[in-house]
Amino acid sequence: DAKTTQPTSMDCAEGRAANLPCNHSTISGNEYVYWYRQIHSQGPQYIIHGLKNNETNEMASLIITEDRKSSTLILPHATLRDTAVYYCIVRVYRGGADGLTFGKGTHLIIQP
Amino acid sequence: SAVISQKPSRDICQRGTSLTIQCQVDSQVTMMFWYRQQPGQSLTLIATANQGSEATYESGFVIDKFPISRPNLTFSTLTVSNMSPEDSSIYLCSVGIQGTSSYNEQFFGPGTRLTVL
Repeated sequence: DAKTTQPTSMDCAEGRAANLPCNHSTISGNEYVYWYRQIHSQGPQYIIHGLKNNETNEMASLIITEDRKSSTLILPHATLRDTAVYYCIVRVYRGGADGLTFGKGTHLIIQP
Repeated sequence: SAVISQKPSRDICQRGTSLTIQCQVDSQVTMMFWYRQQPGQSLTLIATANQGSEATYESGFVIDKFPISRPNLTFSTLTVSNMSPEDSSIYLCSVGIQGTSSYNEQFFGPGTRLTVL
């Protein structure tokens, strides 16, 4: 699985869009970009994933650059409950068949 | 999706003892995993719990220290054996859902917070 680089921490004002970057310059053609988050004292939660097209669901949007070497997770209207550690994971899609490799992630703090 | 429960939610144990953590899923799942999260750190995969066969351990983790059972498709246990303070961590169970249209790949339990004195 390709290595990812994320900022250690970020702040965002409540109600604004939170944009979390992830660098994955060594990504290969069959690897997907996944995002999970871990709210304090809870298990990680799946957010979204994509291959090369931009994706949107009820939680977030995922923007992947054309060369696929980086991506951005967007939380359109951040709330205090979005304060969490966000993990960007790059891996081949295996439909849940094997475990995940977590990096250090970005600690997103939503400020009131 | 899947709803996962773990028991106990937390425990304080003495060094040299063992603790068995239970993971229960509300539906049959193919893949179950165990992770460790040391204080202030990210999650590390311990092993894949295989139904009907021995677990598959990641580098740095061994069966004698972390024996795992998987008697059926909804239940697994992780034992932390001969504990030391370095084993103080949160232990999480997760399940993998294969081939679902929602593509929600893995679901995690709430974790078991273990403190070893």
